[in-house]
Amino acid sequence: EDQVTQSPEALRLQEGESSSLNCSYTVSGLRGLFWYRQDPGKGPEFLFTLYSAGEEKEKERLKATLTKKESFLHITAPKPEDSATYLCAVQSDNYGQNFVFGPGTRLSVLP
Amino acid sequence: ETGVTQSPTHLIKTRGQQVTLRCSSQSGHNTVSWYQQALGQGPQFIFQYYREEENGRGNFPPRFSGLQFPNYSSELNVNALELDDSALYLCASSWTSGSYNEQFFGPGTRLTVL
Repeated sequence: EDQVTQSPEALRLQEGESSSLNCSYTVSGLRGLFWYRQDPGKGPEFLFTLYSAGEEKEKERLKATLTKKESFLHITAPKPEDSATYLCAVQSDNYGQNFVFGPGTRLSVLP
Repeated sequence: ETGVTQSPTHLIKTRGQQVTLRCSSQSGHNTVSWYQQALGQGPQFIFQYYREEENGRGNFPPRFSGLQFPNYSSELNVNALELDDSALYLCASSWTSGSYNEQFFGPGTRLTVL
């Protein structure tokens, strides 16, 4: 059975203090790993797709990387508007087109 | 290009009632997936519709059912509501091609069952 875990559960940073969020996965035949940002009471907003180990994607202050067992979302010099829950999801050979989501990391960036 | 829309935004029902939630997919997309998200948890896959047929289902009972229409919009129906059905229901649309596809989410419908 596919499993996705995320750590830490919650993270509090000062503005400008860089850090990384972790997504560990156990799947049979990874098709893709996806990162989303979710603000309270709203739908997830798509950030990145990673398909193979070694791949990296960047967008503004965010950079996502992928290995064979985990993915990292690096946040460089975060701002208060980066505060949100960050979700990762995997798509695998086991479950066709649907996603298996992790529980998310709640990020708070203090001014 | 219009994004994914859902209606209604909020809904309050009582236990035992039935509910229908609606989703309009992003233009150009042919696949709709539904997810249930309890407070503080990640979304859980309910089912997916592709070309008006169910194309995969998660671990949800048969009282959760759905439809997809020729214009790719979709409905989620839940019968015999239970208190545990209270959650944010998310619809995601995508273009099914090859082995993988990004899913784009709507704003969700917040369902409260009393």
